[in-house]
Amino acid sequence: GNSVTQMEGPVTLSEEAFLTINCTYTATGYPSLFWYVQYPGEGLQLLLKATKADDKGSNKGFEATYRKETTSFHLEKGSVQVSDSAVYFCALSGANTGFQKLVFGTGTRLLVSP
Amino acid sequence: DAGVIQSPRHEVTEMGQEVTLRCKPISGHDYLFWYRQTMMRGLELLIYFNNNVPIDDSGMPEDRFSAKMPNASFSTLKIQPSEPRDSAVYFCASSFGAGAQPQHFGDGTRLSIL
Repeated sequence: GNSVTQMEGPVTLSEEAFLTINCTYTATGYPSLFWYVQYPGEGLQLLLKATKADDKGSNKGFEATYRKETTSFHLEKGSVQVSDSAVYFCALSGANTGFQKLVFGTGTRLLVSP
Repeated sequence: DAGVIQSPRHEVTEMGQEVTLRCKPISGHDYLFWYRQTMMRGLELLIYFNNNVPIDDSGMPEDRFSAKMPNASFSTLKIQPSEPRDSAVYFCASSFGAGAQPQHFGDGTRLSIL
């Protein structure tokens, strides 16, 4: 079945540091890939998505590239801010479930200090 | 525009009691999802609806759980009887259209069963 593996957290960085959160997936066919972010006490919000190989999703300075050859969708940001502190979830949806069902990774907590 | 609205935000009740969680999706959205989030199991999809019809309830843990969507603007998730292991944050999300569309999450209901 479809699955997503994320790096364990927490990831602790100083403000303006470079961020990478690794995500790899297992799926049949060509899934769509997503990053969601969850701030304390809130629901998840879509951060970015990519629907085909080599697509790059980007939003708010975050980027991720859909790499079919390595089955990866790593999240990056060049310079993090304290306000980026949150939990980040990688997710996929596959054609075998009509793209409606999202399969989430376990989440990676990011802590950014001033 | 109003997002997905869930109520109550917090619920504390004793084991054996009936619990009803409520969700109002974004107007015009035709898909509605119920998720459960725990530290141990992460984010799990319980059930989802399309145009008020349940499509996949394979994530519903057992017969104590039931979900309904009587109209396009309201859904309930009911647990009867409740057990301590049902303690979790329950999220409702909605989306519009087929394909890999973003899901919009409510802020969740934090449920504690004593």
